Amino acid sequence: DSGVTQTPKHLITATGQRVTLRCSPRSGDLSVYWYQQSLDQGLQFLIQYYNGEERAKGNILERFSAQQFPDLHSELNLSSLELGDSALYFCASSPRTRLAGSDEQFFGPGTRLTVL
Amino acid sequence: GQNIDQPTEMTATEGAIVQINCTYQTSGFNGLFWYQQHAGEAPTFLSYNVLDGLEEKGRFSSFLSRSKGYSYLLLKELQMKDSASYLCAVSRPTLLYGQNFVFGPGTRLSVLP
Repeated sequence: DSGVTQTPKHLITATGQRVTLRCSPRSGDLSVYWYQQSLDQGLQFLIQYYNGEERAKGNILERFSAQQFPDLHSELNLSSLELGDSALYFCASSPRTRLAGSDEQFFGPGTRLTVL
Repeated sequence: GQNIDQPTEMTATEGAIVQINCTYQTSGFNGLFWYQQHAGEAPTFLSYNVLDGLEEKGRFSSFLSRSKGYSYLLLKELQMKDSASYLCAVSRPTLLYGQNFVFGPGTRLSVLP
């Protein structure tokens, strides 16, 4: 158990819909990262927040958005869903924002999204 | 663009040593990570290199050569539970003091008895 929690575990929805994935980081971690993992694309970095502020952006579609709240939990919003958005979405947390020594990330168990 | 290459699959025998290579070409470099991922589970951290050389951690070691854009993960005394995918990832710094990660496709290792 990494200490990072994600809800829901599974989500099934239809094309065109909007969903929200939730992540609670490890106690004391200020950074949250979101990843998408599909079979054909591997693990793709989406976005990073540190203490409520966006700090890095990866391959995140404009239909997707995220935020980190004052209590440090984070939400990833996916809208106008397409079949290709079906994937495993991971959240990870770490204590800091930029590397200073070994700043490993701790991954949550993931949310499996199925778009029908 | 950003590119990380790893062999797709490798097979080794229980008790043996295996080396998983990773080559990368990225704009910006802040460190190289190795993660282990069992099927259907979350990745777990194995090692991190920011300077050239070898980092050893129990049965796992990781090597980095920044000038060559090359790293490897060495697994010794292989056990059946080491059967998993191994992900190489490069961290790139951002202007906002963040970390932008690029992951390789992963190497699926099968350990045979």
